[in-house]
Amino acid sequence: ELKVEQNPLFLSMQEGKNYTIYCNYSTTSDRLYWYRQDPGKSLESLFVLLSNGAVKQEGRLMASLDTKARLSTLHITAAVHDLSATYFCAVDISGTYKYIFGTGTRLKVLA
Amino acid sequence: DTEVTQTPKHLVMGMTNKKSLKCEQHMGHRAMYWYKQKAKKPPELMFVYSYEKLSINESVPSRFSPECPNSSLLNLHLHALQPEDSALYLCASSQPAYEQFFGPGTRLTVL
Repeated sequence: ELKVEQNPLFLSMQEGKNYTIYCNYSTTSDRLYWYRQDPGKSLESLFVLLSNGAVKQEGRLMASLDTKARLSTLHITAAVHDLSATYFCAVDISGTYKYIFGTGTRLKVLA
Repeated sequence: DTEVTQTPKHLVMGMTNKKSLKCEQHMGHRAMYWYKQKAKKPPELMFVYSYEKLSINESVPSRFSPECPNSSLLNLHLHALQPEDSALYLCASSQPAYEQFFGPGTRLTVL
């Protein structure tokens, strides 16, 4: 069974601190996506990682992909309150239009 | 235009009602999706249309009936729903094997 697991499921951190969210998946896929969801809102695309070793950065967030380990990380640098949200990773199953979402990480940044 | 629109934003319906959710995109994407999302859970894939043909049905009960009238429009027809069907219904579109763009969602309550 295809699984996409994230850890931690919940993260409470102080402003200014660094932390990493991990996304492990059980299928072969060269493409991984990160999304952000604010409470009561829809999903917003953050990063598209299309190959092994891909690294993308936007502001205080940096995402990377290791397809051999089937692992992606989302690193947060010097967190600010505005980053509080739920973050999902997702993989697509090669040859299909099927996307599987991770369990989600609820991030709360405390002032 | 990089937007996916959904109507209505909110919908309250009884178990005997028939209603429809609508989704539209003008990005030229050839795949469109319906997801169901319960509170604090990841989105669950329901249906996928690719090139206007139904390509994935994730064993969704027949009280949900999707329709793709053309490459820009996606509908979800609802009939005889149950209270447990109350959720946020998200529409998304994408090019094949690439990031999905999500609409704002329809918050559905079944009484």
